[in-house]
Amino acid sequence: AQKITQTQPGMFVQEKEAVTLDCTYDTSDPSYGLFWYKQPSSGEMIFLIYQGSYDQQNATEGRYSLNFQKARKSANLVISASQLGDSAMYFCAMRANRDDKIIFGKGTRLHILP
Amino acid sequence: DVKVTQSSRYLVKRTGEKVFLECVQDMDHENMFWYRQDPGLGLRLIYFSYDVKMKEKGDIPEGYSVSREKKERFSLILESASTNQTSMYLCASSFVDAYEQYFGPGTRLTVT
Repeated sequence: AQKITQTQPGMFVQEKEAVTLDCTYDTSDPSYGLFWYKQPSSGEMIFLIYQGSYDQQNATEGRYSLNFQKARKSANLVISASQLGDSAMYFCAMRANRDDKIIFGKGTRLHILP
Repeated sequence: DVKVTQSSRYLVKRTGEKVFLECVQDMDHENMFWYRQDPGLGLRLIYFSYDVKMKEKGDIPEGYSVSREKKERFSLILESASTNQTSMYLCASSFVDAYEQYFGPGTRLTVT
């Protein structure tokens, strides 16, 4: 069975600091993808970044990077130079490539302090 | 731009009422999904449809049914609403084999 674990229910970070949001996963599928979504207080889910299990390099999208450590089954999201607008709920998610369904972690609420 | 719309942002219903939540996408996506989001539990999949009239149960289908008569529209039905179905409901859609799902704005349902 697949599982996503986010161990940080909430985090407080000073503006302009870098942030690491933890995510570990469990799957027996050899081929899978890992994602991060952001959910601001308005409620919409915003896709941030994707990492394929066979990708050799860590994914990056602007200030977001995914620190993928396959042997440790971790897929941490790193946000560089945090901004007040980064305050939101963040969800780690996974999809086995044989399946179109995604499973989500329970989320981490990030608060950026001015 | 991909657009996924949901019929209501906020809905208040009474226990025992039949409730319809509608979702429409405009990108010709094959897959559509209904999730429920509760604090501390993340998003949980209720039902999934990979084609018109095709559906598959997710992790928490009890108390819900779905309908997909047209490719662009996916409805979630609460046959007899109960207070434990008070939640945020999110619809999403995607192409087959695509890694990104596109989400609607959500419907916050309160059952009193």
